[in-house]
Amino acid sequence: GAVVSQHPSRVICKSGTSVKIECRSLDFQATTMFWYRQFPKKSLMLMATSNEGSKATYEQGVEKDKFLINHASLTLSTLTVTSAHPEDSSFYICSATGDTQYFGPGTRLTVL
Amino acid sequence: AQSVTQLDSHVSVSEGTPVLLRCNYSSSYSPSLFWYVQHPNKGLQLLLKYTSAATLVKGINGFEAEFKKSETSFHLTKPSAHMSDAAEYFCVVSVIVGTDKLIFGTGTRLQVFP
Repeated sequence: GAVVSQHPSRVICKSGTSVKIECRSLDFQATTMFWYRQFPKKSLMLMATSNEGSKATYEQGVEKDKFLINHASLTLSTLTVTSAHPEDSSFYICSATGDTQYFGPGTRLTVL
Repeated sequence: AQSVTQLDSHVSVSEGTPVLLRCNYSSSYSPSLFWYVQHPNKGLQLLLKYTSAATLVKGINGFEAEFKKSETSFHLTKPSAHMSDAAEYFCVVSVIVGTDKLIFGTGTRLQVFP
C-alpha cells in the first residue's frame, strides 16, 4: 500500500526555538495533506488542511502563525512549530490523500 | 455536525474470544465511516470503511463492522482475537461529503490476554 513518511520521528528542542516536521508521500502524489495533533491517551485533533500550491486551511482554534504549513510539492508538506513552548509538546501526525487517506507514523515533539 | 462516540475507552479480551468495539455516530446526512488501528510506533492503518454500499463491511485481519442506521452504530467485531490485535482503535467519520476531512473518536484500547 501507499506509504507516508515523517521526519524526524522524534525531536527535543528548547523553548523558543522553531522545529520543522516533514511529511512525504513516497509512492503517490497528494494534492491534499492533513496535519493532526494527538495528546497522550487522547484522540487525533485535525489542525489544518494542507493544499499543494495554496495556503493551508486551519481549524478553529489553531494559530496559523504558530503552526506554519507549507505544501510546496505534490509529495511534501512541512509543519513548522514556531517559538515552541512546553505546551506544544505533542505527537504530530500527517496524512496524505491517495485512493484513501494514508497516515504517517507520527513525530513526537518535546519542548523543554 | 458530524461526530463519533466510542463507548469504551478500554476493552480486554482473552486470545481466541470475540472482540466487540462499539461506536455510535451522529451525522446530518449519510456518512462515510471508518475504523483505523494504531499500533505503538506505527502509523494509523485503515481497517475498513463504509461508504453507503453494503452495510456489512469486511476489513483486514478478520475484522468487520456493520452500519446500522436505525441505531446510528458502526461497531467493530472480530470472531477470534489474536495477541497481535492489541492496539488502539479509532472510529472515524468524514466531515463533509466529497472531502477527506475526518473526525476521530476518542479511541478504544484493546488488550488481549493469553
